[in-house]
Amino acid sequence: DTEVTQTPKHLVMGMTNKKSLKCEQHMGHRAMYWYKQKAKKPPELMFVYSYEKLSINESVPSRFSPECPNSSLLNLHLHALQPEDSALYLCASRPGLAGSNEQFFGPGTRLTVL
Amino acid sequence: AQSVTQLDSQVPVFEEAPVELRCNYSSSVSVYLFWYVQYPNQGLQLLLKYLSGSTLVESINGFEAEFNKSQTSFHLRKPSVHISDTAEYFCAVSGSGGSNYKLTFGKGTLLTVNP
Repeated sequence: DTEVTQTPKHLVMGMTNKKSLKCEQHMGHRAMYWYKQKAKKPPELMFVYSYEKLSINESVPSRFSPECPNSSLLNLHLHALQPEDSALYLCASRPGLAGSNEQFFGPGTRLTVL
Repeated sequence: AQSVTQLDSQVPVFEEAPVELRCNYSSSVSVYLFWYVQYPNQGLQLLLKYLSGSTLVESINGFEAEFNKSQTSFHLRKPSVHISDTAEYFCAVSGSGGSNYKLTFGKGTLLTVNP
């Protein structure tokens, strides 16, 4: 299996809702990433997990809360989001934090905050 | 730290014409270089990569890119494009040593192939 999967594909939520995004890979990769991508822009790094531990937080607001329950799964918990948080959220993985930095991306979750 | 410049935000071409998408990078250390493609409403797919060795790298669908260290460039080329190549193309760079967790992306080039 050489895929990164993400669910849901689309999500619409209100500013008071709590929701979660899910990312899964079965390639044995030990580093996983969350990115945010606004329309017509490159992806912006949010979080990096290495061996299920949070390695990097790129000064992301606390209304975004990542979680890595095991080596195959990465969640992003959302709470009290703002309309400007509407974007495509991409998950990526790579074998580890050493080496070529080739990252494998999922298809993304299109988030709309009303 | 690294940076990437994609000089063209949009490149319109006709089907079967050749195309070049330009990418220049800046880095104080040795680098790995990547081209990713993003089709509408999809995630990013790796198109090709330069890690070491031969400076000319090729993809399975006819794209190629050449690493030019002296000009700090990694331009993407295809001799004959198809309608299906219409997509956003991102050039990305990463340091080649140590804990190189970060991919630095260019702003992207929208390739539009017209019939």
